[in-house]
Amino acid sequence: GENVEQHPSTLSVQEGDSAVIKCTYSDSASNYFPWYKQELGKRPQLIIDIRSNVGEKKDQRIAVTLNKTAKHFSLHITETQPEDSAVYFCAAESYNTDKLIFGTGTRLQVFP
Amino acid sequence: NAGVTQTPKFQVLKTGQSMTLQCAQDMNHEYMSWYRQDPGMGLRLIHYSVGAGITDQGEVPNGYNVSRSTTEDFPLRLLSAAPSQTSVYFCASSAGGYSNQPQHFGDGTRLSIL
Repeated sequence: GENVEQHPSTLSVQEGDSAVIKCTYSDSASNYFPWYKQELGKRPQLIIDIRSNVGEKKDQRIAVTLNKTAKHFSLHITETQPEDSAVYFCAAESYNTDKLIFGTGTRLQVFP
Repeated sequence: NAGVTQTPKFQVLKTGQSMTLQCAQDMNHEYMSWYRQDPGMGLRLIHYSVGAGITDQGEVPNGYNVSRSTTEDFPLRLLSAAPSQTSVYFCASSAGGYSNQPQHFGDGTRLSIL
């Protein structure tokens, strides 16, 4: 079945440094890859997404890259700030099944 | 627009009881889904629906039933609650699974089974 692996499970960085979170997916029919941010006690919220016909997408300090051959995609946050501290989830959706499958999450802590 | 509304926000049940978690959206979204969130396990898909009258199983469907009689509503039923179903439940909707649209989540229901 479909599977999405996410690493690392926790990540601590100093304010101003960059943070990278990596995911791999198993279903070669996956064609949509969103990233969600979840603050403590809140709902997950979409921060950026990428479709399989694009290799990279940027939105201010956030960027996502996709390597379809290796079935890898990554989230890059530059110039991190304390308010970036949260749990981040990657996900992959297959055009065969319409299921959106999530990774297990990365807890990012940004220290001032 | 209220977005995705889940009720109740909190619930405590005894083992063996049944209940229905409600989910409603006012965005005319075709695609709706239910996830459970447990510590260290991310969000796991329980059931989903690509439109009224159509439902399908996700990763962890056992012990749960769903139906989709209208576009707006997608209730999740626990038939006989078990302690393993203690979790936070999120409902989500999107404009269409076929077109890979972003999913919008509700605020969640925190369910404890004693």
